[in-house]
Amino acid sequence: QQQVKQSPQSLIVQKGGISIINCAYENTAFDYFPWYQQFPGKGPALLIAIRPDVSEKKEGRFTISFNKSAKQFSLHIMDSQPGDSATYFCAASMKTGANNLFFGTGTRLTVIP
Amino acid sequence: EADIYQTPRYLVIGTGKKITLECSQTMGHDKMYWYQQDPGMELHLIHYSYGVNSTEKGDLSSESTVSRIRTEHFPLTLESARPSHTSQYLCASSESRGETQYFGPGTRLLVL
Repeated sequence: QQQVKQSPQSLIVQKGGISIINCAYENTAFDYFPWYQQFPGKGPALLIAIRPDVSEKKEGRFTISFNKSAKQFSLHIMDSQPGDSATYFCAASMKTGANNLFFGTGTRLTVIP
Repeated sequence: EADIYQTPRYLVIGTGKKITLECSQTMGHDKMYWYQQDPGMELHLIHYSYGVNSTEKGDLSSESTVSRIRTEHFPLTLESARPSHTSQYLCASSESRGETQYFGPGTRLLVL
């Protein structure tokens, strides 16, 4: 059972455009929602993360929007650049239990020059 | 940049061979993880450890085994490799109650 559902599977955006990746979850015990970025041949690296007590978090060109009532969160990449081309994974975890991350299925982003 | 290392980076091996994938971290993290990832696909947690002498199975059933004799070292072993084990294996670590996981570069395994 997929704990975190991610869409789209792939995304092509023109340079300078906005890339938007969406994730949804069911378990209301989740209290930490990170986004990881993975380049080919590399391991994933933390990009940005949010907790459910805020609705938005911005770091440079990357913004997470969080909708607690809808149990959805999304990553927005403003002014997308070819260097942003990578696979993006959303994830979720909870403080109780093993505190492991549940990953989404990933979105392959391609930014066309 | 996180200090977590995996060797080998690439491994091509025949069916039936025993293999060990190495993972080491120098951050003193208590918690470590192994994920299996098919190219361009999601990460599946196969093993994790809370600390020395602790190992737990993850969400995805795996024929591999792990050990945690030292804090910094978390090797994964396949006693008898099969073509179905062909995949990328990612190791990660985090602080005990830390939420950020730091990933190694991965080992890409091909079993012929």
